[in-house]
Amino acid sequence: GQSLEQPSEVTAVEGAIVQINCTYQTSGFYGLSWYQQHDGGAPTFLSYNALDGLEETGRFSSFLSRSDSYGYLLLQELQMKDSASYFCAVRKNTGFQKLVFGTGTRLLVSP
Amino acid sequence: DVKVTQSSRYLVKRTGEKVFLECVQDMDHENMFWYRQDPGLGLRLIYFSYDVKMKEKGDIPEGYSVSREKKERFSLILESASTNQTSMYLCASSYTQGAYEQYFGPGTRLTVT
Repeated sequence: GQSLEQPSEVTAVEGAIVQINCTYQTSGFYGLSWYQQHDGGAPTFLSYNALDGLEETGRFSSFLSRSDSYGYLLLQELQMKDSASYFCAVRKNTGFQKLVFGTGTRLLVSP
Repeated sequence: DVKVTQSSRYLVKRTGEKVFLECVQDMDHENMFWYRQDPGLGLRLIYFSYDVKMKEKGDIPEGYSVSREKKERFSLILESASTNQTSMYLCASSYTQGAYEQYFGPGTRLTVT
């Protein structure tokens, strides 16, 4: 089978740093993607890790450890507009490429 | 900019009706996907297509079918809508080797009464 686990909710204050963890169990693992979704909006792609290590994109960074089946999304200098749901998604390569999404982490940023 | 559009933002149908959800993308993407999103369950893949007239079942295909007659258009069909199909339906597209980066439409909130 396959499973992804991430916390259901995380709270933080403006200007802080927050880390959203994702652990996965799956066959055919190819990489880990992260998506952001604001209430009422469509998911938008943030980052992707296929190799171990840290990928940085502005205030957001994403990390992957394939040996630990673990990744995280790091958000720095939090802003109110970062309040959203964040989904990790495993990219599987079992003949056809597809994503399997986690259940999402709701981030609440307060002033 | 990639644009993925869906035919309706909100839809209300009765139990037993046949329902068509349409999705169109303008980036010449090979892959197209249909998901449903329910609170606490994340996004679950219903069907996907990697080429015209080609389709593959996702994780929850029961009660659904799809059609892809043209590269830019992917339709989701509920043959006989049921109340447990009330949900947010999201369409997405990607390049063949870029399934990790999918572009989503705004979603259709379907209510079956």
